[in-house]
Amino acid sequence: DVKVTQSSRYLVKRTGEKVFLECVQDMDHENMFWYRQDPGLGLRLIYFSYDVKMKEKGDIPEGYSVSREKKERFSLILESASTNQTSMYLCASSLGEDSGNTIYFGEGSWLTVV
Amino acid sequence: GESVGLHLPTLSVQEGDNSIINCAYSNSASDYFIWYKQESGKGPQFIIDIRSNMDKRQGQRVTVLLNKTVKHLSLQIAATQPGDSAVYFCAETHYNTDKLIFGTGTRLQVFP
Repeated sequence: DVKVTQSSRYLVKRTGEKVFLECVQDMDHENMFWYRQDPGLGLRLIYFSYDVKMKEKGDIPEGYSVSREKKERFSLILESASTNQTSMYLCASSLGEDSGNTIYFGEGSWLTVV
Repeated sequence: GESVGLHLPTLSVQEGDNSIINCAYSNSASDYFIWYKQESGKGPQFIIDIRSNMDKRQGQRVTVLLNKTVKHLSLQIAATQPGDSAVYFCAETHYNTDKLIFGTGTRLQVFP
């Protein structure tokens, strides 16, 4: 089974802090994604990566950056956390060889910025 | 922009009945559709998918129907069980990309 692991399930950070959310997948997937999920807004794509050291902006990249130094790991970075970044963050991965690949999600990271 | 929407935010069904969750999509270029189930406090779990060259696909107790003419997708759950209670999302993606566009979700409540 595919496993997408988000190491931090619950975090509380202060406004202005730098926050790292880590995600690891164990199926040698090419593609990795970061979404945030908010009530009434569904899942929105922040950033995605098709390969190591490659990244592309999603629909709401402002206030975030990402890092993909190794194929299995995709990190989401909040350079200076703000209260409007309080949310549930979901990492996902997919095979990437052609289109229409099943995308698998991690269990989510609940971030509260106070 | 393109969006994927759901007709009903909450669906309540009796245990043992069949459930039908509907979804409308707006981009006729989308060629791959996925249904996810999300239980409270967990990440979305893949249920079933369908490609645009099909109009029906069946899994274990679930069936997805795709009507490209009216850009409509539905998920049918047979003999709904309490464990089916969750939020269900449909998502679409375009050819040659795995970027999903999600709807806001439908909550399925199963009562005895």
